[in-house]
Amino acid sequence: DTEVTQTPKHLVMGMTNKKSLKCEQHMGHRAMYWYKQKAKKPPELMFVYSYEKLSINESVPSRFSPECPNSSLLNLHLHALQPEDSALYLCASSGQGSYEQYFGPGTRLTVT
Amino acid sequence: KNEVEQSPQNLTAQEGEFITINCSYSVGISALHWLQQHPGGGIVSLFMLSSGKKKHGRLIATINIQEKHSSLHITASHPRDSAVYICAVRFGYQKVTFGTGTKLQVIP
Repeated sequence: DTEVTQTPKHLVMGMTNKKSLKCEQHMGHRAMYWYKQKAKKPPELMFVYSYEKLSINESVPSRFSPECPNSSLLNLHLHALQPEDSALYLCASSGQGSYEQYFGPGTRLTVT
Repeated sequence: KNEVEQSPQNLTAQEGEFITINCSYSVGISALHWLQQHPGGGIVSLFMLSSGKKKHGRLIATINIQEKHSSLHITASHPRDSAVYICAVRFGYQKVTFGTGTKLQVIP
Protein backbone atom coordinates (compact mmCIF):
# COMPACT_ATOMS: atom_id res chain seq x y z
CA ASP A 1 0.00 0.00 0.00
CA THR A 2 1.72 3.18 -1.20
CA GLU A 3 -1.20 5.48 -0.65
CA VAL A 4 -1.78 8.53 1.48
CA THR A 5 -5.47 9.22 1.98
CA GLN A 6 -7.07 12.49 3.02
CA THR A 7 -10.59 13.29 4.15
CA PRO A 8 -12.69 15.13 3.37
CA LYS A 9 -12.00 15.94 -0.29
CA HIS A 10 -13.82 19.23 -0.04
CA LEU A 11 -14.76 21.34 2.97
CA VAL A 12 -16.68 24.58 3.23
CA MET A 13 -16.68 26.23 6.64
CA GLY A 14 -17.64 29.51 8.20
CA MET A 15 -15.21 31.68 10.11
CA THR A 16 -16.67 30.60 13.46
CA ASN A 17 -16.68 26.87 12.75
CA LYS A 18 -14.36 24.21 14.10
CA LYS A 19 -13.43 21.42 11.72
CA SER A 20 -10.66 18.87 11.24
CA LEU A 21 -8.76 17.49 8.27
CA LYS A 22 -7.56 13.92 8.41
CA CYS A 23 -4.62 12.18 6.76
CA GLU A 24 -3.75 8.49 6.92
CA GLN A 25 -0.96 6.28 5.62
CA HIS A 26 -0.11 2.62 6.17
CA MET A 27 3.38 2.54 4.69
CA GLY A 28 5.12 2.57 8.05
CA HIS A 29 6.39 6.08 7.42
CA ARG A 30 7.40 7.95 10.57
CA ALA A 31 7.45 11.47 9.10
CA MET A 32 4.24 13.23 8.09
CA TYR A 33 3.73 16.69 6.66
CA TRP A 34 1.04 19.33 6.17
CA TYR A 35 1.31 21.70 3.23
CA LYS A 36 -0.89 24.59 2.14
CA GLN A 37 -1.21 25.37 -1.54
CA LYS A 38 -2.86 28.48 -2.98
CA ALA A 39 -3.97 28.55 -6.60
CA LYS A 40 -1.12 28.61 -9.13
CA LYS A 41 1.47 28.58 -6.35
CA PRO A 42 3.76 25.81 -5.10
CA PRO A 43 2.94 24.05 -1.83
CA GLU A 44 4.12 25.77 1.36
CA LEU A 45 5.25 23.66 4.29
CA MET A 46 3.18 24.13 7.46
CA PHE A 47 4.16 21.34 9.86
CA VAL A 48 6.33 18.25 10.05
CA TYR A 49 5.84 15.41 12.51
CA SER A 50 8.64 12.96 13.07
CA TYR A 51 7.93 9.88 15.20
CA GLU A 52 4.65 11.47 16.29
CA LYS A 53 6.41 14.57 17.60
CA LEU A 54 6.16 18.02 16.04
CA SER A 55 9.59 18.71 14.56
CA ILE A 56 8.91 21.68 12.27
CA ASN A 57 6.35 24.45 12.63
CA GLU A 58 6.74 27.07 9.93
CA SER A 59 5.31 29.89 12.05
CA VAL A 60 1.76 28.87 11.23
CA PRO A 61 -1.04 30.85 12.97
CA SER A 62 -2.51 29.14 16.01
CA ARG A 63 -5.91 28.81 14.33
CA PHE A 64 -4.27 25.76 12.68
CA SER A 65 -3.54 23.05 15.22
CA PRO A 66 -1.85 19.81 14.12
CA GLU A 67 -2.13 16.52 15.92
CA CYS A 68 -0.46 13.17 15.35
CA PRO A 69 -2.32 10.61 17.49
CA ASN A 70 -0.34 7.64 16.13
CA SER A 71 2.21 6.78 13.46
CA SER A 72 -0.46 6.34 10.76
CA LEU A 73 -2.66 9.35 11.39
CA LEU A 74 -2.22 13.08 11.09
CA ASN A 75 -4.94 15.60 11.82
CA LEU A 76 -5.18 19.32 11.24
CA HIS A 77 -7.70 21.06 13.51
CA LEU A 78 -9.14 24.29 12.18
CA HIS A 79 -10.77 27.04 14.23
CA ALA A 80 -11.69 30.66 13.52
CA LEU A 81 -10.22 30.59 10.03
CA GLN A 82 -10.14 33.55 7.68
CA PRO A 83 -11.23 33.61 4.02
CA GLU A 84 -7.56 33.91 3.00
CA ASP A 85 -7.01 30.45 4.51
CA SER A 86 -9.00 28.98 1.63
CA ALA A 87 -6.57 26.69 -0.19
CA LEU A 88 -5.69 23.10 -1.00
CA TYR A 89 -4.27 21.36 2.06
CA LEU A 90 -1.93 18.54 1.22
CA CYS A 91 -0.64 15.81 3.47
CA ALA A 92 2.52 13.83 2.74
CA SER A 93 4.57 11.13 4.41
CA SER A 94 8.09 9.84 4.05
CA GLY A 95 10.09 6.91 5.30
CA GLN A 96 13.60 6.63 6.67
CA GLY A 97 16.43 6.22 4.21
CA SER A 98 15.07 7.74 1.02
CA TYR A 99 12.93 10.48 2.60
CA GLU A 100 10.92 10.50 -0.62
CA GLN A 101 7.60 12.16 0.10
CA TYR A 102 4.31 10.57 -0.91
CA PHE A 103 1.44 13.01 -1.23
CA GLY A 104 -2.25 12.62 -0.58
CA PRO A 105 -4.92 13.98 -2.95
CA GLY A 106 -5.54 17.02 -0.78
CA THR A 107 -8.53 18.67 0.88
CA ARG A 108 -9.94 21.69 -0.92
CA LEU A 109 -10.94 24.12 1.86
CA THR A 110 -13.17 27.13 1.36
CA VAL A 111 -13.70 29.55 4.24
CA THR A 112 -16.78 31.74 3.90
CA LYS B 1 18.73 31.92 0.60
CA ASN B 2 17.62 28.58 -0.81
CA GLU B 3 16.09 29.18 -4.23
CA VAL B 4 14.68 26.88 -6.86
CA GLU B 5 13.96 28.18 -10.33
CA GLN B 6 12.10 26.38 -13.06
CA SER B 7 11.80 27.12 -16.74
CA PRO B 8 9.72 27.53 -18.71
CA GLN B 9 6.74 28.64 -16.61
CA ASN B 10 4.32 27.60 -19.34
CA LEU B 11 4.82 25.19 -22.19
CA THR B 12 2.51 24.18 -25.03
CA ALA B 13 3.52 21.25 -27.20
CA GLN B 14 2.04 19.20 -30.00
CA GLU B 15 1.37 15.56 -29.29
CA GLY B 16 4.47 13.52 -30.00
CA GLU B 17 6.97 16.29 -29.29
CA PHE B 18 10.00 15.87 -27.03
CA ILE B 19 9.67 18.10 -23.99
CA THR B 20 12.30 19.42 -21.59
CA ILE B 21 11.66 21.21 -18.32
CA ASN B 22 14.58 22.70 -16.42
CA CYS B 23 15.27 23.27 -12.74
CA SER B 24 18.15 25.19 -11.17
CA TYR B 25 18.95 25.63 -7.50
CA SER B 26 21.31 27.85 -5.62
CA VAL B 27 23.02 25.75 -2.94
CA GLY B 28 24.02 22.14 -2.36
CA ILE B 29 21.16 19.71 -1.87
CA SER B 30 20.65 16.18 -0.55
CA ALA B 31 18.07 15.21 -3.20
CA LEU B 32 15.83 16.61 -5.92
CA HIS B 33 12.27 15.54 -6.65
CA TRP B 34 10.21 15.87 -9.78
CA LEU B 35 6.49 15.96 -9.05
CA GLN B 36 3.39 16.02 -11.25
CA GLN B 37 0.18 17.78 -10.28
CA HIS B 38 -2.99 17.44 -12.31
CA PRO B 39 -5.87 19.93 -12.11
CA GLY B 40 -7.83 19.03 -9.00
CA GLY B 41 -4.81 18.81 -6.80
CA GLY B 42 -3.17 15.47 -6.11
CA ILE B 43 0.61 15.40 -6.39
CA VAL B 44 2.41 12.36 -7.75
CA SER B 45 6.09 11.82 -7.18
CA LEU B 46 7.80 11.03 -10.49
CA PHE B 47 11.45 10.82 -9.52
CA MET B 48 13.81 11.41 -6.66
CA LEU B 49 17.42 11.99 -7.71
CA SER B 50 20.68 12.69 -5.97
CA SER B 51 22.94 12.00 -8.95
CA GLY B 52 22.94 10.84 -12.56
CA LYS B 53 19.85 9.88 -14.48
CA LYS B 54 16.61 7.97 -13.98
CA LYS B 55 14.11 6.70 -16.53
CA HIS B 56 10.52 5.56 -16.12
CA GLY B 57 8.54 4.86 -19.25
CA ARG B 58 8.57 8.00 -21.37
CA LEU B 59 9.98 10.14 -18.59
CA ILE B 60 13.68 10.78 -18.02
CA ALA B 61 15.20 12.88 -15.26
CA THR B 62 18.81 14.00 -15.05
CA ILE B 63 20.75 15.94 -12.49
CA ASN B 64 24.15 17.65 -12.62
CA ILE B 65 25.26 18.25 -9.05
CA GLN B 66 28.25 20.43 -10.02
CA GLU B 67 26.09 22.73 -12.14
CA LYS B 68 23.15 22.62 -9.69
CA HIS B 69 20.76 21.80 -12.48
CA SER B 70 18.21 19.12 -13.29
CA SER B 71 16.06 18.42 -16.33
CA LEU B 72 12.88 16.44 -16.83
CA HIS B 73 12.33 15.09 -20.33
CA ILE B 74 9.15 13.65 -21.76
CA THR B 75 9.47 11.67 -24.97
CA ALA B 76 6.54 11.20 -27.37
CA SER B 77 4.36 13.57 -25.38
CA HIS B 78 0.65 12.84 -25.04
CA PRO B 79 -2.32 14.99 -24.01
CA ARG B 80 -2.55 13.01 -20.74
CA ASP B 81 0.88 14.43 -19.85
CA SER B 82 -0.79 17.85 -19.49
CA ALA B 83 -0.20 18.88 -15.88
CA VAL B 84 1.95 21.10 -13.72
CA TYR B 85 5.44 19.71 -13.19
CA ILE B 86 7.17 20.80 -10.01
CA CYS B 87 10.81 20.54 -9.08
CA ALA B 88 11.44 20.28 -5.35
CA VAL B 89 14.79 20.17 -3.63
CA ARG B 90 15.64 18.76 -0.26
CA PHE B 91 18.37 20.50 1.68
CA GLY B 92 18.19 18.37 4.79
CA TYR B 93 16.24 15.31 5.82
CA GLN B 94 12.71 16.65 5.82
CA LYS B 95 12.41 20.20 4.57
CA VAL B 96 11.68 20.59 0.88
CA THR B 97 11.72 23.78 -1.19
CA PHE B 98 9.46 23.80 -4.22
CA GLY B 99 9.95 25.49 -7.57
CA THR B 100 7.13 27.56 -9.00
CA GLY B 101 6.12 24.81 -11.41
CA THR B 102 5.88 24.44 -15.18
CA LYS B 103 2.41 24.21 -16.66
CA LEU B 104 2.49 21.84 -19.61
CA GLN B 105 -0.28 21.55 -22.16
CA VAL B 106 0.00 18.90 -24.86
CA ILE B 107 -2.33 19.48 -27.80
CA PRO B 108 -3.59 16.55 -29.88
